Amino acid sequence: EAQVTQNPRYLITVTGKKLTVTCSQNMNHEYMSWYRQDPGLGLRQIYYSMNVEVTDKGDVPEGYKVSRKEKRNFPLILESPSPNQTSLYFCASSSRQTLEQYFGPGTRLTVT
Amino acid sequence: GQQLNQSPQSMFIQEGEDVSMNCTSSSIFNTWLWYKQDPGEGPVLLIALYKAGELTSNGRLTAQFGITRKDSFLNISASIPSDVGIYFCAGQRQGGKLIFGQGTELSVKP
Repeated sequence: EAQVTQNPRYLITVTGKKLTVTCSQNMNHEYMSWYRQDPGLGLRQIYYSMNVEVTDKGDVPEGYKVSRKEKRNFPLILESPSPNQTSLYFCASSSRQTLEQYFGPGTRLTVT
Repeated sequence: GQQLNQSPQSMFIQEGEDVSMNCTSSSIFNTWLWYKQDPGEGPVLLIALYKAGELTSNGRLTAQFGITRKDSFLNISASIPSDVGIYFCAGQRQGGKLIFGQGTELSVKP
């Protein structure tokens, strides 16, 4: 089954404790992206990657890092999480041609 | 940065009614996409539009790519309770990233 998976689905952590949210897709897509969703703000792009070893900032990259060492994986790293990063996070992927993005199920992160 | 204005922000309708929502931008887009997000899930693609003036249907859903390339609308006919969710528009420029609207939250009363 074609899908985008994220782990964990839920995470509660404390300020400053480094964490990684994994994202994996099995559709051989070149393009992958991370979004955060907050009430009233819709989906805002954090980082995106056009292909392996190619990453770029989205609209709200501060406080986040990403890497794209393999085509299928695109982890999101919070080196020192803060409460304002409490949010619902989505990973998405698409082929370069269509950019019709397929979304993962989401990761709800709470930083206390 | 670029912004999409999606309206309305929320809608409360009776089952069987038709629904209409739209997105507008000050910028031209080459692609318009419409997504639906069910509670606790990620957005799912409903309709993709690639040409100005294009009108595309997916069951009871119909979406159009505006002639000016700065807007798009989504219609849902004869709504049913499972239409409940948040609908997002998204626009993309040539080679550019996808920009999402703020979403329209739809509630359907049986």
